[in-house]
Amino acid sequence: SQQGEEDPQALSIQEGENATMNCSYKTSINNLQWYRQNSGRGLVHLILIRSNEREKHSGRLRVTLDTSKKSSSLLITASRAADTASYFCATETSGSRLTFGEGTQLTVNP
Amino acid sequence: DAGVIQSPRHEVTEMGQEVTLRCKPISGHDYLFWYRQTMMRGLELLIYFNNNVPIDDSGMPEDRFSAKMPNASFSTLKIQPSEPRDSAVYFCASSHGTGGRETQYFGPGTRLLVL
Repeated sequence: SQQGEEDPQALSIQEGENATMNCSYKTSINNLQWYRQNSGRGLVHLILIRSNEREKHSGRLRVTLDTSKKSSSLLITASRAADTASYFCATETSGSRLTFGEGTQLTVNP
Repeated sequence: DAGVIQSPRHEVTEMGQEVTLRCKPISGHDYLFWYRQTMMRGLELLIYFNNNVPIDDSGMPEDRFSAKMPNASFSTLKIQPSEPRDSAVYFCASSHGTGGRETQYFGPGTRLLVL
């Protein structure tokens, strides 16, 4: 398995509901980032959480990090149809490399 | 700011042809990354540069792939000769500061199809 695996692979919810995506990784990290990719587009950075942080908020996004369990979660509250996209976690272990997970495909139905 | 610019956006070529992908990073960014995205393998880092110098090319799949960064505002990824299995979306990204510890800004990608 590669560093940074998202769960679930696909998630379908109704507008207004909350969406939770999880990411697990294998080795110690310096930070973990979440990115969003709309279909046919490049990745867009959402939020970065450092290894000494446990929770971070940005608008409707909430990210948690549990280094003891080597896992992170991304919560999108009050989802909108425009949130439909693939969401990737990326881990930085050393140097400048980011290793991306396989992504969670989120569909928000209007 | 225009963001990371990639060209071409789409490329269709025949097996054996040379393909050159181009990237202009965000001005002032000192890290540049080339990624490849496929359904089978996900998003893979191919190579990255710091201050125009290649730092880690361990992700470059074969000698058919080469990348250059002649100056701070331009980089190329070349495939010669191209093969059908090279079909993928190739992304360029740039960042300021220690690359993996800061936000990476992605270009729109080049969708490559090798027939």
